[in-house]
Amino acid sequence: GAVVSQHPSWVICKSGTSVKIECRSLDFQATTMFWYRQFPKQSLMLMATSNEGSKATYEQGVEKDKFLINHASLTLSTLTVTSAHPEDSSFYICSASWTGSGNTIYFGEGSWLTVV
Amino acid sequence: DAKTTQPTSMDCAEGRAANLPCNHSTISGNEYVYWYRQIHSQGPQYIIHGLKNNETNEMASLIITEDRKSSTLILPHATLRDTAVYYCIVRVATSGSRLTFGEGTQLTVNP
Repeated sequence: GAVVSQHPSWVICKSGTSVKIECRSLDFQATTMFWYRQFPKQSLMLMATSNEGSKATYEQGVEKDKFLINHASLTLSTLTVTSAHPEDSSFYICSASWTGSGNTIYFGEGSWLTVV
Repeated sequence: DAKTTQPTSMDCAEGRAANLPCNHSTISGNEYVYWYRQIHSQGPQYIIHGLKNNETNEMASLIITEDRKSSTLILPHATLRDTAVYYCIVRVATSGSRLTFGEGTQLTVNP
């Protein structure tokens, strides 16, 4: 299957600072990437859908000014959590749609964010 | 997207087949059935998907009923490493089509 990689795997940041998480499709070009958030013992919640070269589409209740998504190339999307607070601590997971496999979606390893 | 219903949890003995059911009675004609699993603290892993025919790959088999209202994921010889949450999701197979996760089934493979 296709490979999607996230970086960093885990990050600790101070409250009020911003942190960026990168998502790369390593062996395919991804027109569409998706960002999810997962709190402990809960299922994945879709935050936004990003299309290369255009603005991301955010799910209801997700603040677009707080969670900045950039999809500047067909292999890279970034999620920036701005002015992070402890309640933003979560597992963030990206995924990418691969047309070569009938638009099957593949996921990254996830990034743990802890805001202290 | 059509909603799916899965049992909350299941147990399976190591070496036995694990059969995970999923109901998707409101599935549309152009929606596929996808299965993913998530091992603790990792990103979801794609397993298999199908439209109406049964499918098999190196990981599992997918059996879809003729009316497409339900399906079963079969892990033929479960191992301890198959312990995970398994998600059944229906989705149109276009690039912008999202995956919406339910609660899934926690499969525990016991020695």
